[in-house]
Amino acid sequence: DSGVTQTPKHLITATGQRVTLRCSPRSGDLSVYWYQQSLDQGLQFLIQYYNGEERAKGNILERFSAQQFPDLHSELNLSSLELGDSALYFCASSSSGLRDYEQYFGPGTRLTVT
Amino acid sequence: GENVEQHPSTLSVQEGDSAVIKCTYSDSASNYFPWYKQELGKRPQLIIDIRSNVGEKKDQRIAVTLNKTAKHFSLHITETQPEDSAVYFCAASWFGGADGLTFGKGTHLIIQP
Repeated sequence: DSGVTQTPKHLITATGQRVTLRCSPRSGDLSVYWYQQSLDQGLQFLIQYYNGEERAKGNILERFSAQQFPDLHSELNLSSLELGDSALYFCASSSSGLRDYEQYFGPGTRLTVT
Repeated sequence: GENVEQHPSTLSVQEGDSAVIKCTYSDSASNYFPWYKQELGKRPQLIIDIRSNVGEKKDQRIAVTLNKTAKHFSLHITETQPEDSAVYFCAASWFGGADGLTFGKGTHLIIQP
């Protein structure tokens, strides 16, 4: 157990819908990263938040957004869902916002868009 | 941006033998190289990492080597056991504006009894 929690574990929804994925980092960690894992794209970095502020953006679609709250939990919002958005979504946390600190992954949310 | 290539995509070894997985990266500014192990349906689990100021790091049966000049790094697992069967991912941190990790495509390691 990494100490990072994610809810829900599974999510099934229809195209065009909007969903919110939630992540709680390890106690004391200030950074939260979101990743998408799919068979064709592999593991891709989406976005990073550090202590409530957006720190870096990766391959995140405009239909996706995220935020980190004062208690440091983070939410990833996915809207206008398409079949291709079906994937495993992981969050990871780190004690630092620096690039060379260990990132610990949560158990993931499996999103299925039908 | 950074690009990480990983080989092989599948590796089958006999239990007790060694396994080596290799990765190359494109951006010479990358300075952090972690390895993750992922079992089916589970989260990626950090197993070892190396920073650019170090050439080799070892943790029991696992070791990682880094060649900055050639821009490649490798994972070595000795005395493989059935529980080593999983998908292994290498990654690099990219100094191009994004602080997330860039991952290789993964290696499916199969330990044959």
